[in-house]
Amino acid sequence: AQSVAQPEDQVNVAEGNPLTVKCTYSVSGNPYLFWYVQYPNRGLQFLLKYITGDNLVKGSYGFEAEFNKSQTSFHLKKPSALVSDSALYFCAVSENTGGFKTIFGAGTRLFVKA
Amino acid sequence: GAVVSQHPSWVICKSGTSVKIECRSLDFQATTMFWYRQFPKQSLMLMATSNEGSKATYEQGVEKDKFLINHASLTLSTLTVTSAHPEDSSFYICSASDIAGQLNTGELFFGEGSRLTVL
Repeated sequence: AQSVAQPEDQVNVAEGNPLTVKCTYSVSGNPYLFWYVQYPNRGLQFLLKYITGDNLVKGSYGFEAEFNKSQTSFHLKKPSALVSDSALYFCAVSENTGGFKTIFGAGTRLFVKA
Repeated sequence: GAVVSQHPSWVICKSGTSVKIECRSLDFQATTMFWYRQFPKQSLMLMATSNEGSKATYEQGVEKDKFLINHASLTLSTLTVTSAHPEDSSFYICSASDIAGQLNTGELFFGEGSRLTVL
């Protein structure tokens, strides 16, 4: 069965500094990996995904993530954080087994301080 | 493109009543829709997967008689919380996927969520 772990409940970073939100996963086959962001009382917004190809994936709002197969990780990164990046971030994994059942990590709350 | 509309955004009801939440895909055909429940400061818990024209598949521990899901068309799925009680109060989020169609990229498109408060 697939699973995803986000080891940090919260990440604090100063505006302008680089940020990393960690994610590791476990699947039996080839993973489909995603990052979503959630603002208070809202649904989730898609940030980026990895399915195949280049290990470094670029997404919305300047975010990027690096797929590392040997470490089964898919960490979210941004070179320079903005206060407006403060939100709840979810890593998710799906397997293409005839249906895309998606499992979400516990979420990491990002606080960017001005 | 790929917009999912969820209604209502907020609902308050009395204990024992039923509440229906609608999830619509506005610009694509959603062959599969998912219903999630989110508790405060927690992740999304998958409740059920619904495919158009067939019965929903419920996750373990989710009461199918309490959370009725209908996916009668390619653009609409509904979640009905029957005989709601205060412990059903939560944030319910739907998402849609166009697995077999033009999108076919695996990511989910989410509604804005519905906050249910049962008094």
